[in-house]
Amino acid sequence: GAVVSQHPSRVICKSGTSVKIECRSLDFQATTMFWYRQFPKKSLMLMATSNEGSKATYEQGVEKDKFLINHASLTLSTLTVTSAHPEDSSFYICSAPHMGLAGGHTYEQYFGPGTRLTVT
Amino acid sequence: DQQVKQNSPSLSVQEGRISILNCDYTNSMFDYFLWYKKYPAEGPTFLISISSIKDKNEDGRFTVFLNKSAKHLSLHIVPSQPGDSAVYFCAASMTGTASKLTFGTGTRLQVTL
Repeated sequence: GAVVSQHPSRVICKSGTSVKIECRSLDFQATTMFWYRQFPKKSLMLMATSNEGSKATYEQGVEKDKFLINHASLTLSTLTVTSAHPEDSSFYICSAPHMGLAGGHTYEQYFGPGTRLTVT
Repeated sequence: DQQVKQNSPSLSVQEGRISILNCDYTNSMFDYFLWYKKYPAEGPTFLISISSIKDKNEDGRFTVFLNKSAKHLSLHIVPSQPGDSAVYFCAASMTGTASKLTFGTGTRLQVTL
């Protein structure tokens, strides 16, 4: 099946520093990728839609200057948490829709394994 | 505003029996629904989906039922197995939103021996 990878799987950083998280589609191309955030025991909250070749689309309430998204190629999107603060500590997950599988539907997104960010 | 709701945060079922996970939605524009399974510290894994033009979709032990008039869907797992223990999220999408998914709050399923 389709595989999406994320790197790093976990990262600890100091308050005020920036952290970059990579999301890669390993065996298919993705013109669109999505970035989610999950708080403990909560739902996945969509943060933004990453678009290859154009600017990301952010959901209401998500600071685009704080969460920088770059869709560098058809297989790579990056999320940079700038000037991180402890409240940014969370589980960040990316996903990509893939139509290439037999009978696959664009709504059937494939998720990366997630990145646990801890800001001290 | 939680447009997709899973009112049961947890469910415990004995191995071999049926697990029924429920999901309600409020936005009538949603036309595609999915169920994902998630283990701790991992990304969700796609399980099964259903289009709004259908009321049932079956894949092995998993069946999803959709009641559009009630804005309700359910996931049936039968027979339940210990390996099914995980958090299950339902998600919804609508045509024209570039595959954007709105997730429910999740139900933790525990399948006991």
